[in-house]
Amino acid sequence: DAGITQSPRHKVTETGTPVTLRCHQTENHRYMYWYRQDPGHGLRLIHYSYGVKDTDKGEVSDGYSVSRSKTEDFLLTLESATSSQTSVYFCAISPLAGEDNEQFFGPGTRLTVL
Amino acid sequence: GENVEQHPSTLSVQEGDSAVIKCTYSDSASNYFPWYKQELGKGPQLIIDIRSNVGEKKDQRIAVTLNKTAKHFSLHITETQPEDSAVYFCAAISFGGGADGLTFGKGTHLIIQP
Repeated sequence: DAGITQSPRHKVTETGTPVTLRCHQTENHRYMYWYRQDPGHGLRLIHYSYGVKDTDKGEVSDGYSVSRSKTEDFLLTLESATSSQTSVYFCAISPLAGEDNEQFFGPGTRLTVL
Repeated sequence: GENVEQHPSTLSVQEGDSAVIKCTYSDSASNYFPWYKQELGKGPQLIIDIRSNVGEKKDQRIAVTLNKTAKHFSLHITETQPEDSAVYFCAAISFGGGADGLTFGKGTHLIIQP
């Protein structure tokens, strides 16, 4: 899977608790992305990063924050988890931008918020 | 922003027959169109892509066509095999071209009947 790992792979948490998901890459790619996948919605972009400490919002960023202190790690944080954030979260990486934006996905994290 | 529509949502074909999945997009400035295959419990896997300066691209049994005037693109799988059973997603890169994320269709569940 293009040198991408996600941790944890599964997590169950309670409403109101903070949660951090980690994406780690060994490809030294500049661009990293967080998507969520929900039935009937496909994959939707949450946040992305175009370099260390450079991040921006995607389509569904409310309730999420991200950080990238190293090229290889991109963290997604739910400050106070809600049941609507129950989803499968995928990290993706890409070496280039624009029309050369081939994105490669990690194995996903299944998050359940009770 | 970009909007991608994908049809059909489910497609059942006999083994050995061809399968066609169609997508339309709304942003005429989109210029990169990948297709992903997702097997149960795994992340999406890039199987083929096409850029706006090309009308068709083939890779063994898989081909993608692009009609920029009509703003639609299609995935063609010939001589289908049981291992082709999966969910397929089309996507388009939104205008801006930087590190913007992909906009995905809602997916097609392809079932290969033996």
